Amino acid sequence: GENVEQHPSTLSVQEGDSAVIKCTYSDSASNYFPWYKQELGKRPQLIIDIRSNVGEKKDQRIAVTLNKTAKHFSLHITETQPEDSAVYFCAASRSLGGSNYKLTFGKGTLLTVNP
Amino acid sequence: NAGVTQTPKFQVLKTGQSMTLQCAQDMNHEYMSWYRQDPGMGLRLIHYSVGAGITDQGEVPNGYNVSRSTTEDFPLRLLSAAPSQTSVYFCASRPDRSSYEQYFGPGTRLTVT
Repeated sequence: GENVEQHPSTLSVQEGDSAVIKCTYSDSASNYFPWYKQELGKRPQLIIDIRSNVGEKKDQRIAVTLNKTAKHFSLHITETQPEDSAVYFCAASRSLGGSNYKLTFGKGTLLTVNP
Repeated sequence: NAGVTQTPKFQVLKTGQSMTLQCAQDMNHEYMSWYRQDPGMGLRLIHYSVGAGITDQGEVPNGYNVSRSTTEDFPLRLLSAAPSQTSVYFCASRPDRSSYEQYFGPGTRLTVT
């Protein structure tokens, strides 16, 4: 089955700096890669996702890049703010439809943005 | 819309007891899933359903049963609770095969002593 590795497990940055979280996946057939943000005691929420036919996607201060050849994808947060502090999870899925749909998550990155 | 709801929010069980974690969604979503979250382990898929009457196993199904008799409800049953099942459980749903985003419920924190 799919295996998703996520690094680093913890990341501390100063407010205004950029943060980068990296994930690798094992199944070359995976084609959907979402990122979730989970604040302390809250539910995970989707912040951005990318599909395998796209190399990069941006949404304001957040961007995700995908390298299918190397089987890795990254989350980039620019101009970090204290409210960006949370646990971030990457995930990968082989198929969006039918019984093949299973999201495999990385173990998470605790991002702390220091004022 | 209430979205995805879960009950109870907290539960303490003794080893060997059984219980059902409830999950409901009012968005008419076809797909529903159960995950468990343990410290340092991310979210792991327990069981999922692609529609009423259809369920399948995820990554960590042992010790859990599910059923999907209606579109709205997807209960998770612990038959004989074990300390290893101490975790936070999240239910999630998504509309159908063409929709990507999963919507998570607020979670149930379960402790088995």
